[in-house]
Amino acid sequence: AQSVTQPDIHITVSEGASLELRCNYSYGATPYLFWYVQSPGQGLQLLLKYFSGDTLVQGIKGFEAEFKRSQSSFNLRKPSVHWSDAAEYFCAVGPRHGSGNTGKLIFGQGTTLQVKP
Amino acid sequence: EAGVTQFPSHSVIEKGQTVTLRCDPISGHDNLYWYRRVMGKEIKFLLHFVKESKQDESGMPNNRFLAERTGGTYSTLKVQPAELEDSGVYFCASSQDGLKKDYTFGSGTRLTVV
Repeated sequence: AQSVTQPDIHITVSEGASLELRCNYSYGATPYLFWYVQSPGQGLQLLLKYFSGDTLVQGIKGFEAEFKRSQSSFNLRKPSVHWSDAAEYFCAVGPRHGSGNTGKLIFGQGTTLQVKP
Repeated sequence: EAGVTQFPSHSVIEKGQTVTLRCDPISGHDNLYWYRRVMGKEIKFLLHFVKESKQDESGMPNNRFLAERTGGTYSTLKVQPAELEDSGVYFCASSQDGLKKDYTFGSGTRLTVV
C-alpha cells in the first residue's frame, strides 16, 4: 500500500537550533517528493520538491531535504530555526509524470513544529 | 496573478444541512484537485478534474459528496446532507501539468458540522 509516515507528531526546538523532520514513504516506484508548510490560518505552501537529479534539494526559507532511495526517506532540515518557522509541516509523494494518475498526492500526518525563544 | 481561491473560508452548519464549497483555480489550469483533512488525520485526496471531466474520484467518501466543474473553470463540492464526521478542512489545488508544473493549493475551507 502507498503511504507516507512522519514519525514525529510534535517537535519543539529552541530558536537558532537545527531541525530535522523525518519522512518515510512506501510507494513502489520512486515517486515525486514534496514538503509543504501550513502556518496558522494559511494554506499549504510548497517548501521544496524532488523530481530527479541531485538528491539534496534546496527550498525556500532556508530549508533543504535529502532523498535517500535506499531508506525510502526524504527528511527535511534547517540549520538554524527562526520563531517564524513554527507551523505544521507535511511530507507528500505523488506519481511520476507519465505514470498514469497525474497529480494525486499522498500526505503524511504532519509534524507540528514549536519554536522556543 | 491570482492564486487558487476557495470560499467560504469557514462554514458552520448543522447536521443534515447542505453546504457547497467553491474553488476557483488559477486561470489556464486544466487540472483541479480536491483534498480534505479531518481532525487528527492526514490530508486525503478526494478527486481530480481535467477540465470538466472527473479523471479520478476514488477518494470521494460516499454519495453525500458531489463535485462538479461545469465549463471547466471553477469547481464546487456539495455535501448533502452533512454529517458530523464531515468536519474538517477542504483544500483545492490546481495545476497546469499534473505534479510537474505550478501545482498550487488554496487556503482551504474549514467546515464544522454541529
